[in-house]
Amino acid sequence: DAGVTQSPTHLIKTRGQHVTLRCSPISGHKSVSWYQQVLGQGPQFIFQYYEKEERGRGNFPDRFSARQFPNYSSELNVNALLLGDSALYLCASSFFLGEAYEQYFGPGTRLTVT
Amino acid sequence: AQSVAQPEDQVNVAEGNPLTVKCTYSVSGNPYLFWYVQYPNRGLQFLLKYITGDNLVKGSYGFEAEFNKSQTSFHLKKPSALVSDSALYFCAVSETGANNLFFGTGTRLTVIP
Repeated sequence: DAGVTQSPTHLIKTRGQHVTLRCSPISGHKSVSWYQQVLGQGPQFIFQYYEKEERGRGNFPDRFSARQFPNYSSELNVNALLLGDSALYLCASSFFLGEAYEQYFGPGTRLTVT
Repeated sequence: AQSVAQPEDQVNVAEGNPLTVKCTYSVSGNPYLFWYVQYPNRGLQFLLKYITGDNLVKGSYGFEAEFNKSQTSFHLKKPSALVSDSALYFCAVSETGANNLFFGTGTRLTVIP
């Protein structure tokens, strides 16, 4: 079975631009979460979606938004990019919603903002 | 509020020796604890989890972790380290009703041949 896939792998953007990152979960998984991992730190939770509805939001500004599609894939959008948004963005999927279900991570999208 | 502490940024161990990567946590309710491993330029791979039941949890690649409620710890262990175990290890916690993982800052494990 294919794991979680993310696109693109790498991305370079300029301050003020916007970016869209994409994620396809493991087949059969209905929940998708997004995390930001800044170099040298652990991943930080941004959003979680389940059945196309937002079920959790971390401490990130409104410049960050996301959505989940009927096929359970997801997009993360970031507007008005700042240098501090440079990070590895990780998508994770789980079969169901809930704290007991392990999340499976994709390889990430490395975003560089210049 | 939930938090995770990984007190060691770096752990070095000789190949064949036992390894321990430490993790302590703080949650307001029942803890749900996870260990993930990250190889260079890769996403995180799930190793094991504690939900309830036996305090010793066995996971992938020969790893295990011991849950200690009184010490609020969840240390990762392996009886005999391999060079291929060298990677960045993250402890994470979730709590009842939460929909997200809260990660520690990670511990870089280096296994010396």
